[in-house]
Amino acid sequence: SQQGEEDPQALSIQEGENATMNCSYKTSINNLQWYRQNSGRGLVHLILIRSNEREKHSGRLRVTLDTSKKSSSLLITASRAADTASYFCATFTGGGNKLTFGTGTQLKVEL
Amino acid sequence: EAGVAQSPRYKIIEKRQSVAFWCNPISGHATLYWYQQILGQGPKLLIQFQNNGVVDDSQLPKDRFSAERLKGVDSTLKIQPAKLEDSAVYLCASSLVGGVTYNEQFFGPGTRLTVL
Repeated sequence: SQQGEEDPQALSIQEGENATMNCSYKTSINNLQWYRQNSGRGLVHLILIRSNEREKHSGRLRVTLDTSKKSSSLLITASRAADTASYFCATFTGGGNKLTFGTGTQLKVEL
Repeated sequence: EAGVAQSPRYKIIEKRQSVAFWCNPISGHATLYWYQQILGQGPKLLIQFQNNGVVDDSQLPKDRFSAERLKGVDSTLKIQPAKLEDSAVYLCASSLVGGVTYNEQFFGPGTRLTVL
């Protein structure tokens, strides 16, 4: 079963614009992670935010986490055509190193 | 450092045939995972090994899917017989031993299976 639901399912923006995608999950978590997947590079880990953190930055990525609402958002600033990919959130609830992935957002960045 | 290796990259078979996928994890990673990713969905964990023992296979359709990791390194995932709904990308991942603290999983390129 999928732990996370992502929204929107698909997003199309122009290069240079910001992209925001959201993830909602169902159970308490230890941490939440975001991954990118494209045909060229497979599934790549982007960023991890722990349950006691509210915001985290990595380069052009900003992740927020609201555990009271069981939701997270990923912001990609100044998007590039190379950011075109599917983005997934994944949750870790503790024990066994098991990840549960969301349904994903397909991002298309046009020139 | 070499990443997770998988083969083949693509496979096309007819329903009711058998197929096997191979995975070689990152050296030193005791934990190995097989995921199934159906088009338009996120990866779903099928089975998790720690060394050569099974940690979690609760979502593995055991009537047709089997997996082994005999020497605690390489692993094979087999489907016999395949059904149309098995068409998916099969991802292998590996990590250091997991526990209460999360250890990052590293993913291979996947095997895209098409069942006709």
